[in-house]
Amino acid sequence: AQSVTQLDSQVPVFEEAPVELRCNYSSSVSVYLFWYVQYPNQGLQLLLKYLSGSTLVKGINGFEAEFNKSQTSFHLRKPSVHISDTAEYFCAVSLPIGDYKLSFGAGTTVTVRA
Amino acid sequence: DAMVIQNPRYQVTQFGKPVTLSCSQTLNHNVMYWYQQKSSQAPKLLFHYYDKDFNNEADTPDNFQSRRPNTSFCFLDIRSPGLGDAAMYLCATSRGGGAGYGYTFGSGTRLTVV
Repeated sequence: AQSVTQLDSQVPVFEEAPVELRCNYSSSVSVYLFWYVQYPNQGLQLLLKYLSGSTLVKGINGFEAEFNKSQTSFHLRKPSVHISDTAEYFCAVSLPIGDYKLSFGAGTTVTVRA
Repeated sequence: DAMVIQNPRYQVTQFGKPVTLSCSQTLNHNVMYWYQQKSSQAPKLLFHYYDKDFNNEADTPDNFQSRRPNTSFCFLDIRSPGLGDAAMYLCATSRGGGAGYGYTFGSGTRLTVV
């Protein structure tokens, strides 16, 4: 079975500073990888996804992630954060075919301070 | 805008009193999911419907059931809520064929059990 591990449970960061959220996955087969954001008392919103092709994936709100097969990682980055980026971020994995289910990591809480 | 709507946003129920949460979608997606998310934890899949086919996760308690009377609506029934069932319940939809097509989440229903 496939799974993801988010290496940081909480990441405090100052406004306009860069941020990186780390995600490692485990799977014996190829997978799809996703990052979702959840604002307080809201559902999840897709930031970006990796299905195949270019390993650098650009998403919404200035976020990007890099798929690294040799390191089984899919780290999320933003070069300059805003107060409004304060949220919970979830890395998720699914199989490409035959299974529709997303499995989520435990989440990383990002708190942006002025 | 096409979307996934969950009602109500907040639900308070008494210990042991049956409660139903609802989800509707205008996306005409084949697959509908129910996730349970407890405080500061990752969303956990309870079950999903692919069209009319119901798929229960192995560790979903019998206390939780679901109905999908048509493509647009899906309900989560908790027969006898316990204090441990207090959580955010998230409904999501996707097209058939795999999670790569993307999930769309509703805003969630926060359930409180008193």
